Amino acid sequence: NAGVTQTPKFQVLKTGQSMTLQCAQDMNHEYMSWYRQDPGMGLRLIHYSVGAGITDQGEVPNGYNVSRSTTEDFPLRLLSAAPSQTSVYFCASRLTGAGWADTQYFGPGTRLTVL
Amino acid sequence: GQQLNQSPQSMFIQEGEDVSMNCTSSSIFNTWLWYKQEPGEGPVLLIALYKAGELTSNGRLTAQFGITRKDSFLNISASIPSDVGIYFCAGHPTGNTGKLIFGQGTTLQVKP
Repeated sequence: NAGVTQTPKFQVLKTGQSMTLQCAQDMNHEYMSWYRQDPGMGLRLIHYSVGAGITDQGEVPNGYNVSRSTTEDFPLRLLSAAPSQTSVYFCASRLTGAGWADTQYFGPGTRLTVL
Repeated sequence: GQQLNQSPQSMFIQEGEDVSMNCTSSSIFNTWLWYKQEPGEGPVLLIALYKAGELTSNGRLTAQFGITRKDSFLNISASIPSDVGIYFCAGHPTGNTGKLIFGQGTTLQVKP
């Protein structure tokens, strides 16, 4: 049981480049989400999914796309990277239903720098 | 959008001291969570609270869900050096199926 895994751990991009941040979980969790964390701020929700084939926007979705073709995977795509997207990105997953909060786990993060 | 105000922003305390931090919101939350984050890691859940007035402990940590449903606090008793890290509150708003709102974090440093 690996929990929530994220790749890559570090990434440097040039402005305008695109890339995909990978997230996978092996706990059969229905709910998955992506957050970004900037200095002095808490985590802000980018996109989330309550199950395969279903995605929705969070607080800061602009410039990011997601898809959920399987329960296990929830990739985050940067369409055209901008310096404002320099951040640490965390993926999380959890069950839904009663007691859901006790099942939420975060991945180790991807540190992205856009030059 | 909805916001959580977490205070204090940072704390520098002596080993053995008790610590208290809190979060407030202008709107009602269904669930409150407290996380700890260490450098280079993702947040790790400490305590989850599901009902107004609920008081829950996890070792030296105690958290409460405010009866107004707009606030929560976390206490750490007899702090030790490994308590160092950033503590985040997070809330799940009413009427919303997916979104979790995070506070800005409290950075805790413990002097041995």
